[in-house]
Amino acid sequence: DAKTTQPNSMESNEEEPVHLPCNHSTISGTDYIHWYRQLPSQGPEYVIHGLTSNVNNRMASLAIAEDRKSSTLILHRATLRDAAVYYCILYPGTYKYIFGTGTRLKVLA
Amino acid sequence: EPEVTQTPSHQVTQMGQEVILRCVPISNHLYFYWYRQILGQKVEFLVSFYNNEISEKSEIFDDQFSVERPDGSNFTLKIRSTKLEDSAMYFCASSLIGTAKETQYFGPGTRLLVL
Repeated sequence: DAKTTQPNSMESNEEEPVHLPCNHSTISGTDYIHWYRQLPSQGPEYVIHGLTSNVNNRMASLAIAEDRKSSTLILHRATLRDAAVYYCILYPGTYKYIFGTGTRLKVLA
Repeated sequence: EPEVTQTPSHQVTQMGQEVILRCVPISNHLYFYWYRQILGQKVEFLVSFYNNEISEKSEIFDDQFSVERPDGSNFTLKIRSTKLEDSAMYFCASSLIGTAKETQYFGPGTRLLVL
């Protein structure tokens, strides 16, 4: 299973943009990049996913490097409710997600 | 917005007892999953289920575990004889199809405590 590397933790000020990086140098051509987040005591929540092109939705944007070896989840204006663990997952469609340890995002008021 | 629901939210049981965790996936979804998360650790895949069969299972999913879709709406995880180390949050998930571009939607979890 392809591996992802994320910083253990990051901090952001409220109302400011946050860029959460993920390295996945062993990504294969068919792996989609999925991002989830997990708020305290809750189940993982889908954020965004993509294959090659940058993606936007109401929650976030996903910027994918041209060589696909890294990606960045962008929260445009962090709020206190965005404090969570963010997971970057490579998914080839094998029916299972492999979760890493993710990045714990702390948002400062 | 449709969501995955799970019952109970909390379950306390004695070691050696059987427990059944219940999930109602999103109604038109065809693929179903169970994951677990021991306190302070990663979310771990247990099993995936499609067309009334297990598609894939992890090493954790041994003979003590079983899954079933007893009717058109419920998806259950049974642990036959619970052990202390089964204490964890158990998450059910579902997806419309099983391809790489399809996402899984997770329920809120059942917190299982084995005493």
